[in-house]
Formats: sequence, C-alpha cells, structure tokens
Amino acid sequence: GAGVSQSPRYKVAKRGQDVALRCDPISGHVSLFWYQQALGQGPEFLTYFQNEAQLDKSGLPSDRFFAERPEGSVSTLKIQRTQQEDSAVYLCASSYGLAGGPYEQYFGPGTRLTVT
Amino acid sequence: KNEVEQSPQNLTAQEGEFITINCSYSVGISALHWLQQHPGGGIVSLFMLSSGKKKHGRLIATINIQEKHSSLHITASHPRDSAVYICAISGYLTPKAAGNKLTFGGGTRVLVKP
Repeated sequence: GAGVSQSPRYKVAKRGQDVALRCDPISGHVSLFWYQQALGQGPEFLTYFQNEAQLDKSGLPSDRFFAERPEGSVSTLKIQRTQQEDSAVYLCASSYGLAGGPYEQYFGPGTRLTVT
Repeated sequence: KNEVEQSPQNLTAQEGEFITINCSYSVGISALHWLQQHPGGGIVSLFMLSSGKKKHGRLIATINIQEKHSSLHITASHPRDSAVYICAISGYLTPKAAGNKLTFGGGTRVLVKP
C-alpha cells in the first residue's frame, strides 16, 4: 500500500470490553512500533516488533495490553477489560530498517479509542 | 524530568512571520526527528537529522549535538502551517534492540493567523 493504515479509525468501547486495533505497515518494512497518545500530549512508546519478533514491550502499561505480529506484516494491539484511562489515540509506525538505525518512521492515521 | 523538552508549548504568529520552535534533550542520541501533526490527523515526518542543518521549502531544522539542542524554523509562515510540531529522539546508546524507538516531546501548538 501507499502508506501505513490503521483500523478502525474510531472506536467507542464500554468499560470492561475487549478491543482489537489493527495496523497494516508499509510493505517491506521490517520494524513496527505502537505508540499511545493521550489528549494534548506527545505520543509514548508501547511496543516494538522486528519482523514477527516482539523485541521490546517495556511501554505496555499493564498486562491488559497485548500486541502481536504473527507473520511479520500486519499487527494487532489488543486491550482487554478496557478502562477509562485507556482512552487515547493509538498510533502505529513502520520503518524500513532493523534496530540500531536511525530510520525515518512512517505513521498511520491512528485509532482514537474512547472508553465510556 | 522529561528526556525531551520543547518550547514554547503554544505559539501564535501573524502570516508572514518567522517562527522558531526549540527542543532540548538530555540523553545521547543518533538522530532527532521533527514531526508535524494536524488536528485529527496522523503524524508526518518533516526532518530526521544527526548533525548540522536541513532545509525543505520554508522549513529549516538545525541541531547542535554538543549542546543537545535543536530548532525548527518556519520562514514566511502561512495559515496552512498551523499544526502541532513535535520533536522526538531516537537511537539511545543502549544495547536494547529497540534503539530506534522514538521518545517524544510534548509538542508545540502553532497557530498562524491570516
């Protein structure tokens, strides 16, 4: 595809529901990142994949957050038992290179999650 | 203390004015990124730089590695430049595999009035 795509663009979940957010990176990009952006703040790192391997998940805020990239392309970020503090924009980014870059990152449009 | 600090947080300018946004960081890096985010929109990479200066159209980015400081300049500002500008760093000098992950500043909200 032409760029990084994410779906859904908007998601409203009732507290306690599980949600799944999808990211389609640019074809051929090895590295994939998930970031969380709270309203009015800069994004914060959640987790990183190099191909299908999740090499860093130090930013995941709790064990309710789980990410996977089973075939090294599409990635899914799952949040179980959503809480109000999970409301944020979830951004996915991909880059061509392996760890140790630096490489420019290409961002998707984000998924805005609202937990009511 | 945040590893990446931006100033100002908000900036209002008249069309045509010269704008400067500053970014300071406190750790070793291999690159600094300037990004643009329009309301409701995704993030677009403007510059990635490791030293010196880069220019693209009316945008200029500079970095001083010794002083751990970078600036983004917008010359002849236009209302379409209104957006949030975010500074981010990558390439921590650590053995972690995710050395390319970005650490972001809080952003500078720029409003250019006609």
